[in-house]
Amino acid sequence: QVQLVQSGAEVKKPGSSVKVSCKASRGTFDIYTISWVRQAPGQGLEWMGRIIPIVNRGNYAPRFQGRVTITADKSTNTAYMELSNLVSEDTAVYFCARTYGAFDYWGQGTLVTVSS
Amino acid sequence: EIVLTQSPGTLSLSPGERATLSCRASQSVTSNYLAWYQQKPGQAPRLLIYGASSRATGIPDRFTGSGSGTDFTLSISRLEPEDFAVYYCQQYSSSPQTFGQGTKVEIK
Repeated sequence: QVQLVQSGAEVKKPGSSVKVSCKASRGTFDIYTISWVRQAPGQGLEWMGRIIPIVNRGNYAPRFQGRVTITADKSTNTAYMELSNLVSEDTAVYFCARTYGAFDYWGQGTLVTVSS
Repeated sequence: EIVLTQSPGTLSLSPGERATLSCRASQSVTSNYLAWYQQKPGQAPRLLIYGASSRATGIPDRFTGSGSGTDFTLSISRLEPEDFAVYYCQQYSSSPQTFGQGTKVEIK
């Protein structure tokens, strides 16, 4: 059974960084990429970027370039999304998703709250 | 960046009625790399349709995707109570991948 299990909710101060993890079922990284999508309260979905684990290469949406880093640890089948220089507008639920073109399986989401 | 515009913003219908949702792209979506997702409150999105018209695993056949180029449609033939939710289209033909703003299907 395909599973993506994300780390728990975080509360961060403005200017700090957050790192969210996404543990995938064994074998996921052999074929699929992992994307990260966020959703601000009451808002729509926003693609942030993705990682291709077999070559450990990521690409990012321009608006997050320089502030987001997506990595993967193949030994533990875990992907990570780190977002730096947090501002209040980064308060959102962050999802990871298994990707083969479309996003067919999603993690449960991680709420990141940025507040002073 | 390809901008996706969904219409209408909200669709008020009764169970058993047909729903027709539109997604228009600012430029052609190559290879029809267009997906539809359903999202309910407090849940992650669920993939319904990929490649513009292929149903994802386990998706009932009352969900139908169609279209090509810049105009795409998601149809729900007979609304079931569990179908009332927000629906998003997404293009994955070019980076950055983008989503529409969503259409809420609510009970009339």
